[in-house]
Amino acid sequence: AQTVTQSQPEMSVQEAETVTLSCTYDTSESDYYLFWYKQPPSRQMILVIRQEAYKQQNATENRFSVNFQKAAKSFSLKISDSQLGDAAMYFCAYRITQGGSEKLVFGKGTKLTVNP
Amino acid sequence: NAGVMQNPRHLVRRRGQEARLRCSPMKGHSHVYWYRQLPEEGLKFMVYLQKENIIDESGMPKERFSAEFPKEGPSILRIQQVVRGDSAAYFCASSPGRSGNTIYFGEGSWLTVV
Repeated sequence: AQTVTQSQPEMSVQEAETVTLSCTYDTSESDYYLFWYKQPPSRQMILVIRQEAYKQQNATENRFSVNFQKAAKSFSLKISDSQLGDAAMYFCAYRITQGGSEKLVFGKGTKLTVNP
Repeated sequence: NAGVMQNPRHLVRRRGQEARLRCSPMKGHSHVYWYRQLPEEGLKFMVYLQKENIIDESGMPKERFSAEFPKEGPSILRIQQVVRGDSAAYFCASSPGRSGNTIYFGEGSWLTVV
């Protein structure tokens, strides 16, 4: 079964510093997609970044980048120049496609606090 | 291009009543998903629908829960005879359906059962 593990329930970072959130996953597939979603206090789920497994290049979106290690099944999120608005729950997700169905499997999340 | 629209945002029901949650997907999206988030937990898949078809309902509780996505109108998640344990945030998401496309989420509907 596919699982997603986020080993850090909580993390904190100083404003303007860099923080890395960890995520590992388990799959037997060779082609898949990975996502990081942000859930601020408003509780809306906001897509931060996505990575296609067939791409060796790590995805980057402005201050957000990933370190995708396919062999290690690791997909960490790096936030550079952290801002107060980055404070939120961050969820790593793996997209399953099988038997005509598709769904996201989420980790339990990491609560990020940004200190001024 | 409006995002995924969910209503109501907040719903309070007494035990035993019915809850109906609605979801209009993004324009051009024909695939709808429902997820549930219990307090302090991540999102759990419930059901995946295309127009007039349930593709995967492996995450739906066997009783009291149902979902539909009619040819016309929004997708509906229906919970009959609600119990306190149904209190949660219910998120709808949509995608164009082509493999690999991003799934976009609505703002969620918060159900409180009193």
